[in-house]
Amino acid sequence: EAEVAQSPRYKITEKSQAVAFWCDPISGHATLYWYRQILGQGPELLVQFQDESVVDDSQLPKDRFSAERLKGVDSTLKIQPAELGDSAMYLCATGETGSSHNEQFFGPGTRLTVL
Amino acid sequence: GENVEQHPSTLSVQEGDSAVIKCTYSDSASNYFPWYKQELGKRPQLIIDIRSNVGEKKDQRIAVTLNKTAKHFSLHITETQPEDSAVYFCAAPPWGGSQGNLIFGKGTKLSVKP
Repeated sequence: EAEVAQSPRYKITEKSQAVAFWCDPISGHATLYWYRQILGQGPELLVQFQDESVVDDSQLPKDRFSAERLKGVDSTLKIQPAELGDSAMYLCATGETGSSHNEQFFGPGTRLTVL
Repeated sequence: GENVEQHPSTLSVQEGDSAVIKCTYSDSASNYFPWYKQELGKRPQLIIDIRSNVGEKKDQRIAVTLNKTAKHFSLHITETQPEDSAVYFCAAPPWGGSQGNLIFGKGTKLSVKP
């Protein structure tokens, strides 16, 4: 069964450093989401892509976070500079279409620790 | 602001008992309500979902009910088993949202004691 892939699985960095996370969606999934999940809470949407276009980045802290999906397939989320409060699990999810609600398939996540 | 509230935050039941988790939402136009299960250290996975044109949906020991008038929906797990122990998240479209976005509840940690 196809799954969403993410790397790295774990990342430890010092504050003020730059970090990048990568997501490879299930083949054919046009919609891609980046979520942040703080321990003990639900996933919070950071950005949503439909193919290569951003359709919602209203909750993305744009002063330090950026996301891209240049060819409409895999995606990268970057934080520069990282802050202590950025420590969390970063989840990528993908779905077949963004025009209606359908199942979102989650990747295993990248656990970020900022020291 | 947040428009999906989930209760309780923790739930402990004996094996074989039933468990019920409830969520409320804000936007009366919302039309899709999924439930995700996240086991410790693993990714969230969809276990059941319901659309606004039906009031109940069942899948073996799991059921979801929807009350559109009261704007709440509930997850029901019957004959609970230890492997049901996990964190469960409800979700709903954000206020005025479209394009497939979801707002997740804060989660319910279910513990099933053997």
